[in-house]
Amino acid sequence: QVQLVQSGSELKKPGASVKISCSAAGYTFTTYGMNWVRQAPGQGLEWMGWINTNTGDPTYAQGFTGRFVFSLDTSVSTAYLQISGLKAEDTAIYYCARDLYGYDSSGHYSWFDPWGQGTLVTVSS
Amino acid sequence: SYELTQPPSVSVSPGQTARITCSGDALPDHYVYWYQQKPGQAPVVIIYKDIERPSGIPERFSGSSSGTIVTLTISGVQAEDEAVYYCLSTDNSGTYRVFGGGTKLTVL
Repeated sequence: QVQLVQSGSELKKPGASVKISCSAAGYTFTTYGMNWVRQAPGQGLEWMGWINTNTGDPTYAQGFTGRFVFSLDTSVSTAYLQISGLKAEDTAIYYCARDLYGYDSSGHYSWFDPWGQGTLVTVSS
Repeated sequence: SYELTQPPSVSVSPGQTARITCSGDALPDHYVYWYQQKPGQAPVVIIYKDIERPSGIPERFSGSSSGTIVTLTISGVQAEDEAVYYCLSTDNSGTYRVFGGGTKLTVL
C-alpha cells in the first residue's frame, strides 16, 4: 500500500545540521510532489514547502528559506529535508506528506495524503 | 501573510453535533481540506475539496462552504472523535499552502 516511512529521531546540538529522509513506497515517486510540515511541541501544523519530485524544483514557505533544503534521490524514491545551523526553536516533529494534486472544473486541487510517521528533531546543548 | 482562522476549542457531549469553522479571504477561490490529528499520530485527511469524504471516513463527518467560511460538521459525535482538527488551503497567490491554527474538539 502507499506509505511514507521517515528516518528516526535525532538529538542535535545548536549549530549542527540534520538530514531527515522520507522513503516512499506503493506508488510512482515522481508522479506526486512531496510536502514538508513542521509541528513544534504542543503547537499546530506549519507548512514548510514542497518539492516537485519530477523536476526537483523546491518551493519554500516564508520562514523556511536559507537554512532549510529539500532534496531528492529518485533512484530510491526518497525525499530529504536538511536543516543547517540548528536552533533550539527548530525542536519539532517534521512530517513529509505526499501531494495529491490535479485540476478539475473548479480549478487546481492539492491535498496531503498520506503522511509519514514524523521525525522528532530535538536541538539541545 | 495569509491566515486561516479556526476557533481554538469546541466542546460537545456524545451524540451531539460539532461544528468547526475555518475562515480566510481566499477560501472562495481555493479548496479546503480538513485533517484530524490524534495525540502521537500523524494527521489524517477527513474531508477534501471542501465537501468530499475519503473512503473509510465515517459519514458523520461532512464539509460545507459559504463564501469566506468553511465548516466541518461532525454529526453524532463519538468519544473517538476527540482530536485536533486542522483546515488546509492555499493563499491568494495560489502558491503557498496554509494551515489553520487547529481546533481541539473535546467530547464531554
